Amino acid sequence: AQKVTQAQTEISVVEKEDVTLDCVYETRDTTYYLFWYKQPPSGELVFLIRRNSFDEQNEISGRYSWNFQKSTSSFNFTITASQVVDSAVYFCALTRNTGNQFYFGTGTSLTVIP
Amino acid sequence: KAGVTQTPRYLIKTRGQQVTLSCSPISGHRSVSWYQQTPGQGLQFLFEYFSETQRNKGNFPGRFSGRQFSNSRSEMNVSTLELGDSALYLCASSPPRDSGNTIYFGEGSWLTVV
Repeated sequence: AQKVTQAQTEISVVEKEDVTLDCVYETRDTTYYLFWYKQPPSGELVFLIRRNSFDEQNEISGRYSWNFQKSTSSFNFTITASQVVDSAVYFCALTRNTGNQFYFGTGTSLTVIP
Repeated sequence: KAGVTQTPRYLIKTRGQQVTLSCSPISGHRSVSWYQQTPGQGLQFLFEYFSETQRNKGNFPGRFSGRQFSNSRSEMNVSTLELGDSALYLCASSPPRDSGNTIYFGEGSWLTVV
């Protein structure tokens, strides 16, 4: 069975602080894909990043960075120098190598205080 | 390129009624999937359609159904509405590759059952 756990329900940080959102996944598949999405109050989930299970390279995109570690089944997301616009709910998700069914974590609500 | 479009955005229905939600995918995308989001259960997969065929189905009762048309547009229907069906219903589309695709979400349809 596939499972994604985001243990942090809510996080508050002061603007310009760094923040890391944790994601732990479970799967017995050798090929799988991991994702992060951002959900602002409007409701739409916005795609941030996709990683396949064979690519453990960390990625940096501006203030965002992702750390994928298969040894600990984790795919953590760090925002550097957070801004008020980063306030949203962030979801980690996993999908298998067949079909497009996504398994989402319960999300982490991030509030950046000015 | 236009994103995923969902209609209606907001609706209120009475218990026992039925509702139909519509989704127009990104041009060229042939896979459409539906998710239900509630505060208690989070994001749950309903079903996925690809080339007018249901490819995957989540663990929802038969009151929840869907279909996809030849132009890839999709509809989902919920019959005999219950109070617990109040949720944000999200549609997502993805390109034609078979698996591991990124899915792109619409803004969702907010359904309230009274």
